[in-house]
Amino acid sequence: KNEVEQSPQNLTAQEGEFITINCSYSVGISALHWLQQHPGGGIVSLFMLSSGKKKHGRLIATINIQEKHSSLHITASHPRDSAVYICAVGSGGSNYKLTFGKGTLLTVNP
Amino acid sequence: GAGVSQSPRYKVAKRGQDVALRCDPISGHVSLFWYQQALGQGPEFLTYFQNEAQLDKSGLPSDRFFAERPEGSVSTLKIQRTQQEDSAVYLCASSRTGGLSGANVLTFGAGSRLTVL
Repeated sequence: KNEVEQSPQNLTAQEGEFITINCSYSVGISALHWLQQHPGGGIVSLFMLSSGKKKHGRLIATINIQEKHSSLHITASHPRDSAVYICAVGSGGSNYKLTFGKGTLLTVNP
Repeated sequence: GAGVSQSPRYKVAKRGQDVALRCDPISGHVSLFWYQQALGQGPEFLTYFQNEAQLDKSGLPSDRFFAERPEGSVSTLKIQRTQQEDSAVYLCASSRTGGLSGANVLTFGAGSRLTVL
């Protein structure tokens, strides 16, 4: 089974700061997902990537396949970015059977 | 519909009761997934449907758990003789085509929070 580790578990930042959340996994994957979950809310898919880098607005996701590591960056953070960010990976032929990390709770203060 | 719809949003059951949780995926989405998310944990895979076929049910924790998608659209997760350890949020997700590859993004529902007393 793939082990997915996220760091940090909790992160508090001031509005405007650059945020980095890390995800490491133990077994080769077919794709990695970054998801966002607001308190009491549903999960929103932010990115799915299998190589390189993707950018959407202030969010950037990178992945290094050789090092089995991915990062999610948020530029110019805002209080509305406060949420749990979850990394999930799919492996091999069962790429739908995602293994999720425990999430990183981000709080951005005004 | 515009998104994945789950009902009920909240369910309180007495230990031993049967419950049924419903998922309405995005119209036309082929793949449907159920996940269980315990408090403070990441979601755990339960089962996967491609149209009406249940291709993988390896994540169902016991034979008290049963899922179906008879017409390839709406799915129901049934839990018989509920136990306290079944308390969790049950998440449903769908994707446009089979599996998760390429640009095939998951869309999650808001979840059904089950509390077993």
